[in-house]
Amino acid sequence: SQQGEEDPQALSIQEGENATMNCSYKTSINNLQWYRQNSGRGLVHLILIRSNEREKHSGRLRVTLDTSKKSSSLLITASRAADTASYFCATGRTGGFKTIFGAGTRLFVKA
Amino acid sequence: SQTIHQWPATLVQPVGSPLSLECTVEGTSNPNLYWYRQAAGRGLQLLFYSVGIGQISSEVPQNLSASRPQDRQFILSSKKLLLSDSGFYLCAWSVRGAGGELFFGEGSRLTVL
Repeated sequence: SQQGEEDPQALSIQEGENATMNCSYKTSINNLQWYRQNSGRGLVHLILIRSNEREKHSGRLRVTLDTSKKSSSLLITASRAADTASYFCATGRTGGFKTIFGAGTRLFVKA
Repeated sequence: SQTIHQWPATLVQPVGSPLSLECTVEGTSNPNLYWYRQAAGRGLQLLFYSVGIGQISSEVPQNLSASRPQDRQFILSSKKLLLSDSGFYLCAWSVRGAGGELFFGEGSRLTVL
């Protein structure tokens, strides 16, 4: 079964607005990662946050992690039409080699 | 720099035919290797992963198999394809160790008719 579940499943916003996507997971983790996928392409790693971190920034991306609630959020600020893609959270489990993905959020940014 | 190659990019196969998808990684040694499958508009399902030559872990029992004949080569196979095998197959690698960043190939889109 999927480890992570993203919310919402789809999100449509205007260019310049912020986009927030949430992810929940079920088991203990080493880290949580966010990936982006353009239609029909492979996934691209965006950011990794470790289980002992609470917040991380990379450019226009801000990721938070709440291990007590087993949840994470990805915020994309000042969105652009080029941000249109699917975004996936993925978890690396403690003591494991596997990275498990959620179902993803489809983001559509209207110019 | 490291690169990952995956082929073929697209294939259409009849039910019952065999399958071979190949993935190779360049510029790194001893990677963890992964095969994922993505159904249309869905998330990624982990099929197989490998931490070394000849070491394959299967996540989902089905008519697919994987092999790692060389350190940086990962092959996904089937003897007889089913309609349900249609999907987008993604190979990925990570640095040896637990739960790190994954680097993905461009994917292979398989349609079984």
